[in-house]
This record gives sequence, structure tokens and C-alpha cells, in this order.
Amino acid sequence: GAVVSQHPSRVICKSGTSVKIECRSLDFQATTMFWYRQFPKQSLMLMATSNEGSKATYEQGVEKDKFLINHASLTLSTLTVTSAHPEDSSFYICSAGRVGNQPQHFGDGTRLSIL
Amino acid sequence: AQSVSQHNHHVILSEAASLELGCNYSYGGTVNLFWYVQYPGQHLQLLLKYFSGDPLVKGIKGFEAEFIKSKFSFNLRKPSVQWSDTAEYFCAVNGYNTNAGKSTFGDGTTLTVKP
Repeated sequence: GAVVSQHPSRVICKSGTSVKIECRSLDFQATTMFWYRQFPKQSLMLMATSNEGSKATYEQGVEKDKFLINHASLTLSTLTVTSAHPEDSSFYICSAGRVGNQPQHFGDGTRLSIL
Repeated sequence: AQSVSQHNHHVILSEAASLELGCNYSYGGTVNLFWYVQYPGQHLQLLLKYFSGDPLVKGIKGFEAEFIKSKFSFNLRKPSVQWSDTAEYFCAVNGYNTNAGKSTFGDGTTLTVKP
């Protein structure tokens, strides 16, 4: 069964709206979670590393004021797309892994469409 | 920095044909290697992983991959594909000493299996 839950699965909203996406690890504690973005027909691009209890680490070119990440507990990380615009429309995926060199478990993803 | 190159963008095979998808990586140290699969409309799933030991790794659904260190390669193989193998396949790498899961993905290979 799913070990990482992502919600909502789909969001359609007007330009200028802020959208919050939740990522939960269901049966383990995740001090670190990752947020990826996937454009159509392209691969996953790491946006940021979400660290429990501290600031997220953003990849080069990702606007931290645009994509707010909060990792308030060991099982929940949130990504807020602030004042979203059509160019922010994409597929956002979170992942989490157990400690050590373990592969990631991915959420089902959130398809964000900004009109 | 680490990078991943998947040579085949789109592969079309008939059922029962053999499959080999290429993956080469670039990284200066010890790596962990993964193949993920994304079936149409579904989330990413782990097919197989290599951390250490036997360089021939067997995964789910009859897939296997061979790590050839001298060639920086981790090609995915399956002796006889089925229609249900139609999906997007992603090769991923993370450096041994990096945060578990901070993976770099290849661009993906779309596999279409004709019945």
C-alpha cells in the first residue's frame, strides 16, 4: 500500500491564488522529504529538500518566496505555491525515504492547473 | 554534480521481444542507482535498486539491471516484454554520501509494447 500520501491530487484555480499541497509519510518518520516538479513529457526536477524543523534547501533557479515549504512534523511537509500563475501549472510530486540509503517512496502527485 | 543520461527517448516493441534501456550516469564517487516505472495515470514506483554487492540486480515483474562501473552504466533489461509493460521508465542516481533520496533523474524512456 501507499506509504506516502499526497493531497490534493488535482487543483484547478484562477491566476493569483495560493495553493497548498500536503505530503504525508504514513508509516515512518521522515526528517527529510523532497519536492519535485514534472513538466509534460519531461523528467522529474528536484525543486527543494524539505527538512523537519528547519528551512528548506532549494535547488538553483527555484524561487523560495514562490514555493514555500514547511516541514512542521516528522510526517508532514507542505508546499505552497504563492500567487500562482499559468506558468506554474505542472505536476508536483513529493517523496520521502526512511533513514539510511533507502530508495524513495513517491506520493501520487498533484496536477496543478492555473487558469 | 551528478547527472543521468537515458539514451532512448521512445522505444516501441512487440510483445515477447527483449528489452534493454540504456542509462549512463556521471558522478565522482560511489553511487546508488535506481530504476523507477510510471504506468499511465499512476505514480512512480520502484522497479529495482543497486547499492552494493552483486552488480546484476533483479527487480519486480521480471526486470533486471546490470551495474557496470567501468562504463558508468546501469542498463535495464527484460527478456520478454508484455503489453502491460507499456510505461515511462526513469533511471535515477544519488551519490552515496548525499541525503538519501536526493536523486537525479534521467529524462525518461517511453516504452510502448504492441499486443
